[in-house]
Amino acid sequence: DIQMTQSPFSLSASVGDRVTITCQASQDIRHSVNWYQQKPGKAPNLLISDASNLAAGVPSRFSGSGSGTGFTFTISSLQPEDFATYYCQQCDRLPVTFGGGTKVE
Amino acid sequence: EGLMSESGGALVQPGGSLRLSCAVSGFTFTSYAMSWVRQAPGKGLEWLAGISGGISGTFYADSAKGRFTIARDNSKNTLYLQMNSLRAEDAAIYYCAKDSGGSAIRGAFDIWGHGTRVTVAS
Repeated sequence: DIQMTQSPFSLSASVGDRVTITCQASQDIRHSVNWYQQKPGKAPNLLISDASNLAAGVPSRFSGSGSGTGFTFTISSLQPEDFATYYCQQCDRLPVTFGGGTKVE
Repeated sequence: EGLMSESGGALVQPGGSLRLSCAVSGFTFTSYAMSWVRQAPGKGLEWLAGISGGISGTFYADSAKGRFTIARDNSKNTLYLQMNSLRAEDAAIYYCAKDSGGSAIRGAFDIWGHGTRVTVAS
């Protein structure tokens, strides 16, 4: 199975900050990475697919980049509603696997 | 936009069985692959199983292989997860998720249910 190593485990940030989360895949997965946001007690919400494609209705302050084994997720200017946990996920090969999550607090 | 609603979560004894259901509306169910994803208390997300649209091919994570069975009833717009030989470590919230990529299991989940809680304890 492909391992997704996500960092940091948690980070402390303020409104207006630029936030960056990274994900490292254990093997080449091309551009097959998705990013999700999850708030407490809620289901995950797809933000970015295929490394850099913003999902419908997702604000442009969210972005993603990378290919191969290294991927980055960025919030350009953190908003109050963005405090949540973020997960990367690879979908290049089954089984789909998730990173461990990053809590933004 | 689609809606999905899970049901069937309960308290079950170790070794017991449970069938989860996910009722779907708002999109053409047969056209999309579907998956089950779980989240243990305070933990991350774990994909368990997926089923393609159309011919309903299935694929399982190692943690689900042999004990869990994913199925779909396209006439009822419903996805199922049959879980047998349940263990304490199976306790989690179980989500159904729609694949955005069409009938093949691809793994970009654009619609999720609200989740159903499974507790395994004696």
